[in-house]
Amino acid sequence: DARVTQTPRHKVTEMGQEVTMRCQPILGHNTVFWYRQTMMQGLELLAYFRNRAPLDDSGMPKDRFSAEMPDATLATLKIQPSEPRDSAVYFCASGLVLRAESAEAFFGQGTRLTVV
Amino acid sequence: SQQGEEDPQALSIQEGENATMNCSYKTSINNLQWYRQNSGRGLVHLILIRSNEREKHSGRLRVTLDTSKKSSSLLITASRAADTASYFCATKIQGAQKLVFGQGTRLTINP
Repeated sequence: DARVTQTPRHKVTEMGQEVTMRCQPILGHNTVFWYRQTMMQGLELLAYFRNRAPLDDSGMPKDRFSAEMPDATLATLKIQPSEPRDSAVYFCASGLVLRAESAEAFFGQGTRLTVV
Repeated sequence: SQQGEEDPQALSIQEGENATMNCSYKTSINNLQWYRQNSGRGLVHLILIRSNEREKHSGRLRVTLDTSKKSSSLLITASRAADTASYFCATKIQGAQKLVFGQGTRLTINP
């Protein structure tokens, strides 16, 4: 059964450490989204890719965050150095976008990040 | 800033009653989607309504869209305890491929 897989599910790290979150999108999907969810800000779009190319990463703090898709089966979100305010749940979602239409986004279970 | 805003922020009703949640958005859209999130889980797509549609049904769900008022509503009929979750609207903005979510409505169904 096709699903978006995120690893790790939980991560506790010390301030200043590098954090890498991974996502395996559903095979055949051409669009990948990264979202961050906090109680205060809700769901924020950090970045998204179409056919592995970054289309919009304006929601991402550029100085410490980076997102890549080394291949069609892997998307990564990296934070370096991490800060306590980065503590949140990070979701990856994938979808199939044809022409100007966007279909549903399939979400992974998220990575709960705690920076102490 | 968020494109969509759900109303109310929280809703608590008795099992069997109908639940109505509203979503308002700011810019022109191609479509609007509703998602559900159970505690500690990822979001699950419920229904998509296109900008040229006014109403759509899926099981116990009924979604309406009023593009002149830039608003949508989600109605869950005959609610069940399992419907307890947060519900989000998401809009695909015209000219962009990104999906932007509102803050969500937290729905509690009391047995």
